[in-house]
Amino acid sequence: KAGVTQTPRYLIKTRGQQVTLSCSPISGHRSVSWYQQTPGQGLQFLFEYFSETQRNKGNFPGRFSGRQFSNSRSEMNVSTLELGDSALYLCASSLDQQGTLTDTQYFGPGTRLTVL
Amino acid sequence: QKEVEQNSGPLSVPEGAIASLNCTYSDRGSQSFFWYRQYSGKSPELIMSIYSNGDKEDGRFTAQLNKASQYVSLLIRDSQPSDSATYLCAVTRDTGRRALTFGSGTRLQVQP
Repeated sequence: KAGVTQTPRYLIKTRGQQVTLSCSPISGHRSVSWYQQTPGQGLQFLFEYFSETQRNKGNFPGRFSGRQFSNSRSEMNVSTLELGDSALYLCASSLDQQGTLTDTQYFGPGTRLTVL
Repeated sequence: QKEVEQNSGPLSVPEGAIASLNCTYSDRGSQSFFWYRQYSGKSPELIMSIYSNGDKEDGRFTAQLNKASQYVSLLIRDSQPSDSATYLCAVTRDTGRRALTFGSGTRLQVQP
């Protein structure tokens, strides 16, 4: 079974631009979460989508947004990029099977975003 | 105070020894606890999950949880050089076990 895939793997943008990152979850997984990883702040939760709806949201400004499609694929968008947005953006998917006690999040390889 | 605290290390242990990694958390409402391993340049990989007080063993790994002390640990027995990585502690109060809050990670070095 294929793992979580993220595209693109690397991206270079300039301040003020916007960017869209894509995530394809493991087949059958319905929940997709996004995280930002930086050396200074570590891994921080951005948001989680389930059934095309944002179910959880972290403490990030409104410039960070996302969506999920009917096939569970997800995109996140960052508008008006700032230098501090340079980070590794990780997507994680989970089965979210009702009634189960465990629900492992499987991480994709990430998209390395550099803002110049 | 950070929500999830870990010693950044590096923690250096000789090959074959037991490595002990510790994590404390501040939210008493935390429900689920996870240990992830992250190799340099790679994404996190789940090693263990634990939900109730006590020990949980899986191969060379043992996770220990003490909710009263708000403390979770990971023991790695018979440490191997391939265990050298950053170990991330993550917790969530979300009953759906998403919205993970991560510690900053402990870098483990296993010396051959």
